[in-house]
Amino acid sequence: NAGVTQTPKFQVLKTGQSMTLQCAQDMNHNSMYWYRQDPGMGLRLIYYSASEGTTDKGEVPNGYNVSRLNKREFSLRLESAAPSQTSVYFCATRGVTGELFFGEGSRLTVL
Amino acid sequence: GNSVTQMEGPVTLSEEAFLTINCTYTATGYPSLFWYVQYPGEGLQLLLKATKADDKGSNKGFEATYRKETTSFHLEKGSVQVSDSAVYFCALSLYGGGSNYKLTFGKGTLLTVNP
Repeated sequence: NAGVTQTPKFQVLKTGQSMTLQCAQDMNHNSMYWYRQDPGMGLRLIYYSASEGTTDKGEVPNGYNVSRLNKREFSLRLESAAPSQTSVYFCATRGVTGELFFGEGSRLTVL
Repeated sequence: GNSVTQMEGPVTLSEEAFLTINCTYTATGYPSLFWYVQYPGEGLQLLLKATKADDKGSNKGFEATYRKETTSFHLEKGSVQVSDSAVYFCALSLYGGGSNYKLTFGKGTLLTVNP
């Protein structure tokens, strides 16, 4: 039972390159989220998907796009990476009583 | 809007000391409240939760009581261990209509426990 799986775990990009972070869950949850975590800033919501087929912007969506491919998968795409997007990215799903289940994180460095 | 304020760290304690990490919230409505823990290099894990006023959440020796009158959810542990060293996040979840739940996190408190 893997829970929430993120790939890749580490990535280094050059400014202007693109990449997609993948997230898959086997918990049969409807809602999925992408957060970024930066020192002193806590967790900030980038995008979320309340259910399959829907996506909505969070606090900091600029520079990102998402796709809810099916109930299991929710990907985050950086079309043209910038140094300000250096961060740790977490995918999460929401359980029936409101708690979140997080992946282990994807550590992205943009040079 | 909704917000969560938790005490700023870092907090440094000796093993077997008493721990309190303060958390207060503002919310329109009746939120569920959570404490999450993040160990170095890992994602966040749910530590405990409370879904209504006066509920007490507990896990692994940690406790927190949902106090509606003071809008607080302070985390406590009677005797900390070195293995409790981590970052602790207070959070609230509020139903936003349809399938939407608004989740708000505090900025986290780093706890270091020395032997």
